[in-house]
Amino acid sequence: GESVGLHLPTLSVQEGDNSIINCAYSNSASDYFIWYKQESGKGPQFIIDIRSNMDKRQGQRVTVLLNKTVKHLSLQIAATQPGDSAVYFCAENYSGNTPLVFGKGTRLSVIA
Amino acid sequence: DAGVIQSPRHEVTEMGQEVTLRCKPISGHDYLFWYRQTMMRGLELLIYFNNNVPIDDSGMPEDRFSAKMPNASFSTLKIQPSEPRDSAVYFCASSRSTGGTEAFFGQGTRLTVV
Repeated sequence: GESVGLHLPTLSVQEGDNSIINCAYSNSASDYFIWYKQESGKGPQFIIDIRSNMDKRQGQRVTVLLNKTVKHLSLQIAATQPGDSAVYFCAENYSGNTPLVFGKGTRLSVIA
Repeated sequence: DAGVIQSPRHEVTEMGQEVTLRCKPISGHDYLFWYRQTMMRGLELLIYFNNNVPIDDSGMPEDRFSAKMPNASFSTLKIQPSEPRDSAVYFCASSRSTGGTEAFFGQGTRLTVV
């Protein structure tokens, strides 16, 4: 069925290191993907998005990579900081007019 | 814009009581979504509206749940009667469209039913 899932439920990284959070999606028709960050007690916040006609997109300290061949999405955070500690969700959208479907989330813990 | 505004932030109620959660979407957004978040099931879409009209309520768990959007700037999610298993964080989100665009989330309402 249609689903969005994450390989790793928790990830611990040293401050200053790079973080990579992975996500698998099952629907090859998905054409839009988003990464959200959710801090404790807050709602999910948009980080970066990518459309299926792209393989890579960069933002400030973040990069999203899309591999349509294996239906895999990743979020790379450069020079991870304590403020990056949060739960990260990937979400997908397909058929152009359906709501975002969210994965379970990965908790990122930054070790100072 | 102040973003999506939800109230209350926290709600504690006794089993069997009626609970009403409120949401004010971002002005100009035509879509409004209600999500429920639990540790076990993650973020689940309950219902969404387009131009104040409910489009898909297949995620609403039971008839005890109902949602309304009387105008473009206000929506409610009601649970009657509430049960302990309804305890979760409920999020409202809005967007300009469903496809190919981000949804903006409110801060959520943490509901505890005892």
